[in-house]
Amino acid sequence: AQSVAQPEDQVNVAEGNPLTVKCTYSVSGNPYLFWYVQYPNRGLQFLLKYITGDNLVKGSYGFEAEFNKSQTSFHLKKPSALVSDSALYFCAVRDPNTGTASKLTFGTGTRLQVTL
Amino acid sequence: GAVVSQHPSRVICKSGTSVKIECRSLDFQATTMFWYRQFPKKSLMLMATSNEGSKATYEQGVEKDKFLINHASLTLSTLTVTSAHPEDSSFYICSARVGTSGKYEQYFGPGTRLTVT
Repeated sequence: AQSVAQPEDQVNVAEGNPLTVKCTYSVSGNPYLFWYVQYPNRGLQFLLKYITGDNLVKGSYGFEAEFNKSQTSFHLKKPSALVSDSALYFCAVRDPNTGTASKLTFGTGTRLQVTL
Repeated sequence: GAVVSQHPSRVICKSGTSVKIECRSLDFQATTMFWYRQFPKKSLMLMATSNEGSKATYEQGVEKDKFLINHASLTLSTLTVTSAHPEDSSFYICSARVGTSGKYEQYFGPGTRLTVT
């Protein structure tokens, strides 16, 4: 069974400072990994994904994530946080080798709070 | 990009009534859609996989008679919460799948806030 862990319920960072939101995963095969952001009372917005290739993935709004196979991690990062980045962030994993039966498994979410 | 809409965005209903939520893929066809439920400050829980022209596949613990799913066309799936109770109050999010292999893409709707009084 696949799973995702986001060990931090909340991350606090000052605007202008770098931010990291942690994610580790467990899947039997090579994973597809995703980050989504959710603003209050809104659906999920796609940020970025890792499928294959370069371990450093760049996404929307200046976010990036690094796939680390040995540590089974896919931490989300941004060099300089903005107050507008404050939201709920979800990491998700899917095993594509199960074909159309493969489904996304989400982490529990990490609330990012960026303050002035 | 692919757009998924949901209607209504929020609904309040009385206990014992039924409420229908629509999920539409606006600029693409989706043979498969997913329905998720999100509790406050919690992650998304997959409720069921909706397949066009066939019965939905429900996840373990989800009552199929309580949460009726119909996927009558390639652009529309509906979730009907029957005989709603306050504990059904939640944020429901649908998602549409594009692609037929394990490399499919998934696009999410904006969600529907259901409040049962």
